[in-house]
Amino acid sequence: DTGVSQDPRHKITKRGQNVTFRCDPISEHNRLYWYRQTLGQGPEFLTYFQNEAQLEKSRLLSDRFSAERPKGSFSTLEIQRTEQGDSAMYLCASSQGSGGAAEQYFGPGTRLTVT
Amino acid sequence: AQSVAQPEDQVNVAEGNPLTVKCTYSVSGNPYLFWYVQYPNRGLQFLLKYITGDNLVKGSYGFEAEFNKSQTSFHLKKPSALVSDSALYFCAVRFKRGNQGGKLIFGQGTELSVKP
Repeated sequence: DTGVSQDPRHKITKRGQNVTFRCDPISEHNRLYWYRQTLGQGPEFLTYFQNEAQLEKSRLLSDRFSAERPKGSFSTLEIQRTEQGDSAMYLCASSQGSGGAAEQYFGPGTRLTVT
Repeated sequence: AQSVAQPEDQVNVAEGNPLTVKCTYSVSGNPYLFWYVQYPNRGLQFLLKYITGDNLVKGSYGFEAEFNKSQTSFHLKKPSALVSDSALYFCAVRFKRGNQGGKLIFGQGTELSVKP
């Protein structure tokens, strides 16, 4: 068990550019979650998948954001036409099972800076 | 609105003294409750959770948490603090069912500082 991994760890981009982040969950975890964390705040939920199905999306996830988990394993989060307000830490987590009791295991995050 | 409150931005404790990090929630029904810790430049680490049963839950690194249904609180405690416990602590809740059964709702975090 190598834990949840995220790539890249840091990304600096110019406003208006598109960026894509990748998350590899713990193997055999069927649920995968994306959160966003800004300085001084707790993580905020963005979206989650059960296998390849996207089951919930936050209202925070504007139409510039899209997430996929095509084969039920790794996931990508794409932000189009980035804005300075998108600067944040993007966290990925995974868990096993379909109920709500299982704890989520978090990756190290991708820090996005939009200049 | 569903929310989690950590009323203290920072808690300062001397090494060896007991510590408490407070958490209250405003969520309909009986959610699952979690505590996570975040060290600098590292991801969130799971500490403990309350599902059902005994109101006192024991977790990693000697931490425990007490669930109080009437006060809708889930305070994190440790009998004897270590300098290495210094970190950012997050309380979180999760709905038991329904289409909101996946996401965690986090508090804003409490910075714990343990001085030698």
